[in-house]
Amino acid sequence: DIVMTQSPDSLAVSLGERATINCKSSQSVLYSPNNKNYLAWYQQKPGQPPKLLIYWASTRESGVPDRFSGSGSGTDFTLTISSVQAEDVAVYYCHQYLSLPDTFGQGTKLQIK
Amino acid sequence: EVQLVESGGGLVQPGGSLRLSCAASGFTFSSFWMTWVRQAPGKGLEWVANIDRDGNEKNYVDSVKGRFTISRDNAKNSLYLQMNGLRAEDTAVYYCGRAPYGSGSQYYMGVWGKGTTVTVSS
Repeated sequence: DIVMTQSPDSLAVSLGERATINCKSSQSVLYSPNNKNYLAWYQQKPGQPPKLLIYWASTRESGVPDRFSGSGSGTDFTLTISSVQAEDVAVYYCHQYLSLPDTFGQGTKLQIK
Repeated sequence: EVQLVESGGGLVQPGGSLRLSCAASGFTFSSFWMTWVRQAPGKGLEWVANIDRDGNEKNYVDSVKGRFTISRDNAKNSLYLQMNGLRAEDTAVYYCGRAPYGSGSQYYMGVWGKGTTVTVSS
């Protein structure tokens, strides 16, 4: 199975500041025939299901604010929130869907400083 | 409105069985791969199983193979998870999730239900 490791486990950011969450996979999730990274990011607020933010590592889901962006390729990926808002307090998960079983990172908890 | 609504969770003794359901509405259910994902209390997300559009291809995480069975009834717009031989470590919120249109077996989940809680305890 592909192991997904996120860092940090938690972070506290001031309102309006940048937040960066990293995700590293134990094997590449880049599929060479189509040059796509099979990597998604989700946001989960307490008591709610996950919400898709980013897929194919960098494609923002419709309706997701443009302060959220994804980058990276191969085994190293980043979710960036350019200017953190109060409503961004949540746990964020990366997800690889290249190889079954799908696997998720352990989650990164974002709090406001 | 696209919607997924899970049901069937509850308290069950170790070794017992439960059948979870996920009712789909607002889209053509038979056109989409579907997935079950679970989340133990205070823990992260764990992919459990998925099923293709026709119900012919099914995949499972190793920890549930031989105990859980995913199925679907496209006429009833419903997804199921039959869980037998339940263990304490199966205690979790179980979510159903939908693939994007036109996807194969490798996909992210763009639509999620609110989940149903399964507690395995004596």
